[in-house]
Amino acid sequence: GAVVSQHPSRVICKSGTSVKIECRSLDFQATTMFWYRQFPKKSLMLMATSNEGSKATYEQGVEKDKFLINHASLTLSTLTVTSAHPEDSSFYICSARALTGAPNSPLHFGNGTRLTVT
Amino acid sequence: AQTVTQSQPEMSVQEAETVTLSCTYDTSESDYYLFWYKQPPSRQMILVIRQEAYKQQNATENRFSVNFQKAAKSFSLKISDSQLGDAAMYFCAYRSALAGANSKLTFGKGITLSVRP
Repeated sequence: GAVVSQHPSRVICKSGTSVKIECRSLDFQATTMFWYRQFPKKSLMLMATSNEGSKATYEQGVEKDKFLINHASLTLSTLTVTSAHPEDSSFYICSARALTGAPNSPLHFGNGTRLTVT
Repeated sequence: AQTVTQSQPEMSVQEAETVTLSCTYDTSESDYYLFWYKQPPSRQMILVIRQEAYKQQNATENRFSVNFQKAAKSFSLKISDSQLGDAAMYFCAYRSALAGANSKLTFGKGITLSVRP
């Protein structure tokens, strides 16, 4: 089955530093990847849609300069949280759909990254 | 914009019994896909079942089945013979059939299901 690898699974950083989260599709190609943020016991909120070779599309209210997204290849998208603050602490999840997937094919999710900013 | 509503924040079921999780959605589109995802404590998102809006037949996957009522915009999940491993947060999700690969998933708020031994 389709596997999405997300790294790191946990990260603790100091306020003011930047953190990069990687999302890789291991056995399929994905022109589009999605980045979600999830607070404890809450739903997944879409942050941005990452497109290979072009700029990401951000959802309303998400700061582009704060959450930098790069989709450099068909198998890798990265999310960089710049100048992190404690309020950025959250669970971040990436997902991807196979380039050659059927119209009803589901998203495949990474295992998520728990970010804690101290 | 499409919205997905899960009005029950929590539910509990006795092991081996049946439970139904409710979901409604709002859309002006006629072609779309609906999904139920499970998120156990590990927080890995796991696809439980999917339904294409153009199909009248309700989807079934082993102990999991849906009751898809397109006119009522309702998409409930029935779990039969509940097992302890079914305890998790369940999310209902909608995806437009338009926009191809860029079509995003819109999630409901989720429901926490507990299973009593």
